[in-house]
Amino acid sequence: DTEVTQTPKHLVMGMTNKKSLKCEQHMGHRAMYWYKQKAKKPPELMFVYSYEKLSINESVPSRFSPECPNSSLLNLHLHALQPEDSALYLCASSQTMDLQLVGYTFGSGTRLTVV
Amino acid sequence: AQKVTQAQTEISVVEKEDVTLDCVYETRDTTYYLFWYKQPPSGELVFLIRRNSFDEQNEISGRYSWNFQKSTSSFNFTITASQVVDSAVYFCALSEARDSNYQLIWGAGTKLIIKP
Repeated sequence: DTEVTQTPKHLVMGMTNKKSLKCEQHMGHRAMYWYKQKAKKPPELMFVYSYEKLSINESVPSRFSPECPNSSLLNLHLHALQPEDSALYLCASSQTMDLQLVGYTFGSGTRLTVV
Repeated sequence: AQKVTQAQTEISVVEKEDVTLDCVYETRDTTYYLFWYKQPPSGELVFLIRRNSFDEQNEISGRYSWNFQKSTSSFNFTITASQVVDSAVYFCALSEARDSNYQLIWGAGTKLIIKP
């Protein structure tokens, strides 16, 4: 299995809703990432987990809450989002955080719309 | 500061033409890695190539080729005999060492349109 699987593929949520994005990989990778990508822009790093521990938080608002229950799974919990949070949310994984060894494997993303 | 510049916002060519996507980078690191990713309309970022700063050999993979020139800090990507399926946004990226970890500095991307 050489894939990163993200669910759901599309999500529409209201500003008062609570929802979660899910990311799963079975490649034995120990680093997992959340990226946010607005239209016509490159991805922006949000969070990095290394060996199931939060390693990097790029000053992301607390309405985004990441969770790494085990080495294969990464969640992003969403609460009280704003319309400007609408974007493509990409999950990625790599063997470790050292990119010199391998590149990332990206999932196909969750397209989120906040109404 | 480290930076990646993809000056071509959008390129449109007719199928079977050759096309080159430019990437210019800035870094003070002596050891660094450069990447190209493809993002089709479906959204997934597809890894194309990783090149380290000590390997200046050009690489060819089928219709794809990459020209790494350290003297001009460029890592250009050429598609030969383009096909409609090559239509996508292509990102060039540079690895940055920060606190012993490595992150990617992304270019703005080049949207490639291949017309039938």
